[in-house]
Amino acid sequence: SQQGEEDPQALSIQEGENATMNCSYKTSINNLQWYRQNSGRGLVHLILIRSNEREKHSGRLRVTLDTSKKSSSLLITASRAADTASYFCATDATIQGAQKLVFGQGTRLTINP
Amino acid sequence: EAQVTQNPRYLITVTGKKLTVTCSQNMNHEYMSWYRQDPGLGLRQIYYSMNVEVTDKGDVPEGYKVSRKEKRNFPLILESPSPNQTSLYFCASSFQGVETQYFGPGTRLLVL
Repeated sequence: SQQGEEDPQALSIQEGENATMNCSYKTSINNLQWYRQNSGRGLVHLILIRSNEREKHSGRLRVTLDTSKKSSSLLITASRAADTASYFCATDATIQGAQKLVFGQGTRLTINP
Repeated sequence: EAQVTQNPRYLITVTGKKLTVTCSQNMNHEYMSWYRQDPGLGLRQIYYSMNVEVTDKGDVPEGYKVSRKEKRNFPLILESPSPNQTSLYFCASSFQGVETQYFGPGTRLLVL
């Protein structure tokens, strides 16, 4: 089945630097979403980008989508310690007639003070 | 406050003892689903519901049951829990289908 795969699996940077995470998927999509998960807690929706959009911004977040390469990136600018979390991409897919949301494995981001 | 609540948050039980994890949302969402999260396997969908009385299997439904008698509630039932169901469980809801999902805080289950 379709799967979003994040890259890298883990990323450690200094506070104030920018963090970039990538997501690749296998089949065509209607939208792609990014979520954040603080350790052991529920996922929090960050941003949704539709297949006809190429870039979207929300505060310090910038998401790009390249449907020809079946990939997306999440950029967090001017990182803060509070950004330490795991980040997941999720893609919608129609599997056996049912619409599903498929999550990747996630990127674990650590912001060092 | 708009939210998804789950209870209990932590549960230790023994093999074979039936249990129910409740999920409730106060946003009048039509779509609700259950996921389990395991190290190295990510989030996998167990069951989902498009609306009241409409439920369907996700990717890993074996050993689980659900019901959707009311719009706000979507309980997850483990009739005979086994150790391989030890996991972190999340309930989620959305206005419609696989648009923006609102997640509950999670239920950490240990089956001995």
